[in-house]
Amino acid sequence: AQKITQTQPGMFVQEKEAVTLDCTYDTSDQSYGLFWYKQPSSGEMIFLIYQGSYDEQNATEGRYSLNFQKARKSANLVISASQLGDSAMYFCAMSPTGANSKLTFGKGITLSVRP
Amino acid sequence: NAGVTQTPKFQVLKTGQSMTLQCAQDMNHEYMSWYRQDPGMGLRLIHYSVGAGITDQGEVPNGYNVSRSTTEDFPLRLLSAAPSQTSVYFCASSRSGVSYNEQFFGPGTRLTVL
Repeated sequence: AQKITQTQPGMFVQEKEAVTLDCTYDTSDQSYGLFWYKQPSSGEMIFLIYQGSYDEQNATEGRYSLNFQKARKSANLVISASQLGDSAMYFCAMSPTGANSKLTFGKGITLSVRP
Repeated sequence: NAGVTQTPKFQVLKTGQSMTLQCAQDMNHEYMSWYRQDPGMGLRLIHYSVGAGITDQGEVPNGYNVSRSTTEDFPLRLLSAAPSQTSVYFCASSRSGVSYNEQFFGPGTRLTVL
């Protein structure tokens, strides 16, 4: 079984500053993938970034980077240079490698960007 | 490409009624899934399919049926709706393979059971 824990109830960040959203996970699988999704108030699920458990380097996608610490079982999302449009709910998720249809999600973190 | 489409966008049912949530994708993806999203709970997997004719249960399958007769379509059936099934339902699809494949989500269906 897989479990994702997101405990930050809500986060605030000033526009143009960086923010870290925490995610810890638990799994018995040797090979797995970690994902972050953004859900704005409009409701759609937007894929942000992916990290494979055997990837040696942390994933980066534009202003998003994933701080992957395998020994600590953490996969924190770092958003640099926050923008007002980053205000949304953020979900951490994982799946066994090759089982992309079986995502396990955390409960999410609300991020609010202040002008 | 339309991507993943879901119909209807909104639905109100009475307890005991049945209905089918439709999901279709035009990306020729082998994998398709249904999730439900409740406040404070994140998304939870209901059922998934790894190809036409193959389906399996996820974390919260009770009260829902699925079938996959074509690659494109993956309908979710509620046989006898209950207030506990009030939720937002998301369908998703992805390619198969041992390496990473992004899941593409539909826009969601907001269901209210009275």
